[in-house]
Amino acid sequence: QITLKESGPTLVKPTQTLTLTCTFSGFSLSTSGVGVGWIRQPPGKALEWLVLIYWDDDKRYSPSLKSRLTITKDTSKNQVVLTMTNMDPVDTATYYCAHRSWNLDAFDIWGQGTMVTVSS
Amino acid sequence: EIVLTQSPGTLSLSPGERATLSCRASQSVSSSYLVWYQQKPGQAPRLLIYGASSRATGIPDRFRGSGSGTDFTLTISRLEPEDFAVYYCQQCGSSPWTFGQGTKVEIK
Repeated sequence: QITLKESGPTLVKPTQTLTLTCTFSGFSLSTSGVGVGWIRQPPGKALEWLVLIYWDDDKRYSPSLKSRLTITKDTSKNQVVLTMTNMDPVDTATYYCAHRSWNLDAFDIWGQGTMVTVSS
Repeated sequence: EIVLTQSPGTLSLSPGERATLSCRASQSVSSSYLVWYQQKPGQAPRLLIYGASSRATGIPDRFRGSGSGTDFTLTISRLEPEDFAVYYCQQCGSSPWTFGQGTKVEIK
């Protein structure tokens, strides 16, 4: 059974850097084709794709946020870490991590999400 | 970047009725890479349809995806009470993997 769980601060101040961790089980991020992505959703708004990291360390970033995002993986710990710099109140959202199966171009399993508020 | 436009924004229907949701892409999307999700309040999205028309594990057959090129459709043949939710399409063929803005299916 595949599970993912996001963790990190619930409140950050403007200009600070946000660090979120996705801890997963039930799959290995060293398996060919597998990926983990991050998606966010501001309150009452649509989903926004942020970034995807693949088993081979290939990384794909949203062009509009690329300068602020960094994604890394720790295969031994079954974790993926997302950092977002220069946080702003408009970045207030629920942040999800999700699993991309080796044979499926989609996010088939999602974490529960973690709400991050940006406020001074 | 491929922009996905979903319509209508809100669909007001009664249980038992048929729902037809549209997702239009700004450029052609391979059918292999068009996905639909369902999201209920306070929950993470759930994968419904991948490859434009293949149902994910455990998804009932009243959900049907179709389409090609730039026009895709999600049809719910007979709405059950648990189907009232927001539905998103996503294209996974080219980075960034963009989402549509969602269609809310609400009880009339």
